Amino acid sequence: AQSVTQPDIHITVSEGASLELRCNYSYGATPYLFWYVQSPGQGLQLLLKYFSGDTLVQGIKGFEAEFKRSQSSFNLRKPSVHWSDAAEYFCAVGAGDYKLSFGAGTTVTVRA
Amino acid sequence: NAGVMQNPRHLVRRRGQEARLRCSPMKGHSHVYWYRQLPEEGLKFMVYLQKENIIDESGMPKERFSAEFPKEGPSILRIQQVVRGDSAAYFCASSATQGPDTQYFGPGTRLTVL
Repeated sequence: AQSVTQPDIHITVSEGASLELRCNYSYGATPYLFWYVQSPGQGLQLLLKYFSGDTLVQGIKGFEAEFKRSQSSFNLRKPSVHWSDAAEYFCAVGAGDYKLSFGAGTTVTVRA
Repeated sequence: NAGVMQNPRHLVRRRGQEARLRCSPMKGHSHVYWYRQLPEEGLKFMVYLQKENIIDESGMPKERFSAEFPKEGPSILRIQQVVRGDSAAYFCASSATQGPDTQYFGPGTRLTVL
C-alpha cells in the first residue's frame, strides 16, 4: 500500500519569501500525485496534480510542484508567498485506483 | 457550477445518538468518496460509492458506521451510537470517473460528540 510523508509539521515564512513544502511517498509504481490546500474551517481545494508527462506541474495561485522519481518526492513551491497562503497543505497519492492516501499536512504561517 | 455540497457543516451529538451526514456530489459526478480527518492527522479513506452501490468500504469501522448513495438524493454517512472518538471532520469527495481521477472535496462536516 502506498504512504505519504510530509516531514514538516509547521513552517513559518515571511510574506514575499519563497516557500517549499516537502512530500515523500512510498509506492512501487508511478503514483498519481496531488497537492490540496485547506484554509481554516474550509474544505480541500486542489492546487495541482501530476498524472504523467512533464514532471514540473503548474497549479493555481502561483504554485508549482516537481515530481522526482529518483527521490520519491513531489515538493510544492511558490516563489513569493502572500498572507492569504497561510493554510494547511496536504500531499496525496493515488495508486491508480480511487483510494487517496494523504500526508498529515504542513501548516504554513505567513508573517508580515 | 456548484461544487460538492455537504450538510450540516457542524453537528453536535451526545454519546449514544445517531449522526447523519449528507453529501451531494458535483453535477455530472456519480462517484462519491468519504474520508475522515481526525485532529492533527491527514484524511483517511472510509468508503467509495456509486449510485446504489457500495464499491469499497475497507476504511469503514466494522460497527456503527454505514453509508449509502441512493438512486435519488444525496449520499448519506450514518454513525449510530456515537462515541467521543467519532469526533472528527468528515469530508466527501466526488469524481466524474473511477480513479485515477481528480476528486473534488466538499467543505466537510465537523462532528463533535459530547
